[in-house]
Amino acid sequence: DVKVTQSSRYLVKRTGEKVFLECVQDMDHENMFWYRQDPGLGLRLIYFSYDVKMKEKGDIPEGYSVSREKKERFSLILESASTNQTSMYLCASISWGRYNEQFFGPGTRLTVL
Amino acid sequence: AQRVTQPEKLLSVFKGAPVELKCNYSYSGSPELFWYVQYSRQRLQLLLRHISRESIKGFTADLNKGETSFHLKKPFAQEEDSAMYYCALSGLNQAGTALIFGKGTTLSVSS
Repeated sequence: DVKVTQSSRYLVKRTGEKVFLECVQDMDHENMFWYRQDPGLGLRLIYFSYDVKMKEKGDIPEGYSVSREKKERFSLILESASTNQTSMYLCASISWGRYNEQFFGPGTRLTVL
Repeated sequence: AQRVTQPEKLLSVFKGAPVELKCNYSYSGSPELFWYVQYSRQRLQLLLRHISRESIKGFTADLNKGETSFHLKKPFAQEEDSAMYYCALSGLNQAGTALIFGKGTTLSVSS
């Protein structure tokens, strides 16, 4: 069964802290994505990666960075957390092929105080 | 500009009533359209895709290129259909690319 896991379901951090959100997939997928999900705004792409050590900016990369050292793991980093980064963060992965189905993790609800 | 528009934030219907969740898109090419659903406390999951022409849980969606729409329909709503629904698109045959999502519509079905 397809599986995308995220390290935490809930996270509370303070302004200025460095925050790491981890995502792991066990499907040998090449492409991985980080989105943030906000009410009334839908899902917005932060960063994506199509291979190990490769990354591309999405629509809202400001204030974030990513790391992909291994194929199965894609990390989202908030260098200095701010209150406007309080959100639900979703990780997803997809494999190359005919059908473009993304598999999502359960999400991490991050609160920055 | 590539864009997905879901005009309704909230759609409330009674059990047994027909449901139509609207989705319009703007895309300069051949799009591939999807509906994703997120039930309470569950992860986002694919409901259906236009190329499959399938019916999932009684839902269907037809791609209308003339009207650039991909509305999601169900003839008789059930309470378990209550969820957040997102319409999304990508380029046809651009496997592996990021999806462009609409802002979502919350469907509430009451008895």
